[in-house]
Amino acid sequence: GAGVSQSPSNKVTEKGKDVELRCDPISGHTALYWYRQSLGQGLEFLIYFQGNSAPDKSGLPSDRFSAERTGGSVSTLTIQRTQQEDSAVYLCASSLLQNTGELFFGEGSRLTVL
Amino acid sequence: SQQGEEDPQALSIQEGENATMNCSYKTSINNLQWYRQNSGRGLVHLILIRSNEREKHSGRLRVTLDTSKKSSSLLITASRAADTASYFCATDPNTGNQFYFGTGTSLTVIP
Repeated sequence: GAGVSQSPSNKVTEKGKDVELRCDPISGHTALYWYRQSLGQGLEFLIYFQGNSAPDKSGLPSDRFSAERTGGSVSTLTIQRTQQEDSAVYLCASSLLQNTGELFFGEGSRLTVL
Repeated sequence: SQQGEEDPQALSIQEGENATMNCSYKTSINNLQWYRQNSGRGLVHLILIRSNEREKHSGRLRVTLDTSKKSSSLLITASRAADTASYFCATDPNTGNQFYFGTGTSLTVIP
């Protein structure tokens, strides 16, 4: 596709359930970021992937959050045992180069935990 | 927190007026970028200014950067109703991998 694709666009789940959010970055982009945006707030960094390097997980808020990037392309963000405070929009972005260019964002996955 | 802060948090102007938003940050940077976010959508890149630049123009956008004050401003001239959105600054620090985003300015342009 031409842009960053995220799925699902909306997810409603019950507290305690696990969820998986998917990001398909722009082809050829080596850098991939996950951010979280709570209602009316700025973006909170979660995790960063760059090529085959070890990911920067410094933004993950708890051990219930994990992410992987297979084959240097598609990434999955997994939230285990979801809590109500996990409700937010999860945004994925990719970039051609690390730290030197613009980020291309997907439309986000809106997660609601009941 | 190393996040930037935008000021004001909200701005409402009449169509045709200019809109100015400010961003302050805390660490030394390689570059600073401005993004726009329409309600319920992802962010869209507007403009990037490098740390050795002081001013940059793109269409109706004018960005300034003062590294001594660790601040930037975004000016939108001759605003249109379609400019209604939230605007975020993002800094790319000299160290670390993440871009730090500010809390955003919500701009409303009244037709």
